Amino acid sequence: GAVVSQHPSRVICKSGTSVKIECRSLDFQATTMFWYRQFPKKSLMLMATSNEGSKATYEQGVEKDKFLINHASLTLSTLTVTSAHPEDSSFYICSASRGLAEQYFGPGTRLTVT
Amino acid sequence: EDKVVQSPLSLVVHEGDTVTLNCSYEVTNFRSLLWYKQEKKAPTFLFMLTSSGIEKKSGRLSSILDKKELFSILNITATQTGDSAIYLCASMDSSYKLIFGSGTRLLVRP
Repeated sequence: GAVVSQHPSRVICKSGTSVKIECRSLDFQATTMFWYRQFPKKSLMLMATSNEGSKATYEQGVEKDKFLINHASLTLSTLTVTSAHPEDSSFYICSASRGLAEQYFGPGTRLTVT
Repeated sequence: EDKVVQSPLSLVVHEGDTVTLNCSYEVTNFRSLLWYKQEKKAPTFLFMLTSSGIEKKSGRLSSILDKKELFSILNITATQTGDSAIYLCASMDSSYKLIFGSGTRLLVRP
C-alpha cells in the first residue's frame, strides 16, 4: 500500500507557458501533500505544504503566484508552474502523508523549459 | 534556521565493506529523523527514528538516533553494488515538514 503517482513523469514546455503536474495517492487518503523541488545533484527543497480544502503554505522564497497548488480532494494535489522560464527547469517531487508522519513520495516529474 | 548536514558528501567503497553515513541536525520543534535512499527517481523510505538510542534494523541496514548530540548514523554492512545510491537524511518537525540534508552519494564497486 501507500502508492503515490505523479503525472506527467516528464514534460518539455516553451518559455512563457504553464504546466500542470498532478500528484495522486492511489490507495490511501492523504490529509497532507508536500511539493519538493530538486536541482541536479542537490537535495530536495520543500516548496509548499498542502492540506485538502485549504490554501497551501509556501516556504520562504517560493512564489505562490508562480507555483499554484490546488488540493481539491484527499487523493489529488496539483502544482501549476505558471509562465514557466528556463530557470524553473527542475525535478518536482510530491509526497503524501496520511497523518501518521510517514511521507510517501511520488516518482517525480522532470520539467524542462526551453 | 533549521538545517540538516550530512557527511561525507560522497563515498566510494568495495563490495563487502561496511559504511557509516552521518547526519547532524539543528531543528526547532524536532519530531523525527528519517533516512531515504534515492536512486534514479524519488526517494524510498528506509527508517524513521523518534526515540534516542534505539537501533532500527532492516537487513544489512541499521540506524540510530542521538537526540542529545543531535545526530544520526546509517550503517550498511556487507555492501553490494545495488546499495549504490544517494542516501538522504531528513528531519521532521512538529508540523510534519521535512528538511533534507544534501545527501551522501555512495558508490559500491564490484
